[in-house]
Amino acid sequence: AAGVIQSPRHLIKEKRETATLKCYPIPRHDTVYWYQQGPGQDPQFLISFYEKMQSDKGSIPDRFSAQQFSDYHSELNMSSLELGDSALYFCASSLQDRAYNEQFFGPGTRLTVL
Amino acid sequence: AQSVAQPEDQVNVAEGNPLTVKCTYSVSGNPYLFWYVQYPNRGLQFLLKYITGDNLVKGSYGFEAEFNKSQTSFHLKKPSALVSDSALYFCAVRISMDSNYQLIWGAGTKLIIKP
Repeated sequence: AAGVIQSPRHLIKEKRETATLKCYPIPRHDTVYWYQQGPGQDPQFLISFYEKMQSDKGSIPDRFSAQQFSDYHSELNMSSLELGDSALYFCASSLQDRAYNEQFFGPGTRLTVL
Repeated sequence: AQSVAQPEDQVNVAEGNPLTVKCTYSVSGNPYLFWYVQYPNRGLQFLLKYITGDNLVKGSYGFEAEFNKSQTSFHLKKPSALVSDSALYFCAVRISMDSNYQLIWGAGTKLIIKP
């Protein structure tokens, strides 16, 4: 069965650079979530989109932005990168109209900021 | 405030013994509870969930979890541990945010199964 796809899997950037992470949800899923997991920490919710509109916002820094496109894939744009942005970034997708929207997670993108 | 707690940072179990990974929650309304597992260098994988019905929920890889409303707990269990069960386990609860939903996560428990 198709799963959530994230690209790239690994990314190395320097301070003050920008990065773009991509997420391709499971086919027919209409909701995308972004999480950030720092070393030794639990995943922190950043932001979510439903039907291409932002549906919820968590602890996403102002330097970050995200959007969901017409094909439901999503991109997380990160600017003015800081050392503390080094983390594993997960994308998850779900079907919003389910009574329990079980989230399916991608493998994550490991971002290293030098 | 709504929250999820995993009181143990690490749980050590000998292979073949039963294991329990604890989770307690504090949410308003009826909780939707989840367990996820994270193997080294891998993404989070769904294990099981409780929505309603039978308090004992069976999931992947032989895991089960028991929902206890009076104790607001959702402990993860397995009758006989395998070395391959060694991983990081996260408990999560779904909360409603206006017309959308969000998962609140516990801090994670590292499970170490020794041969």
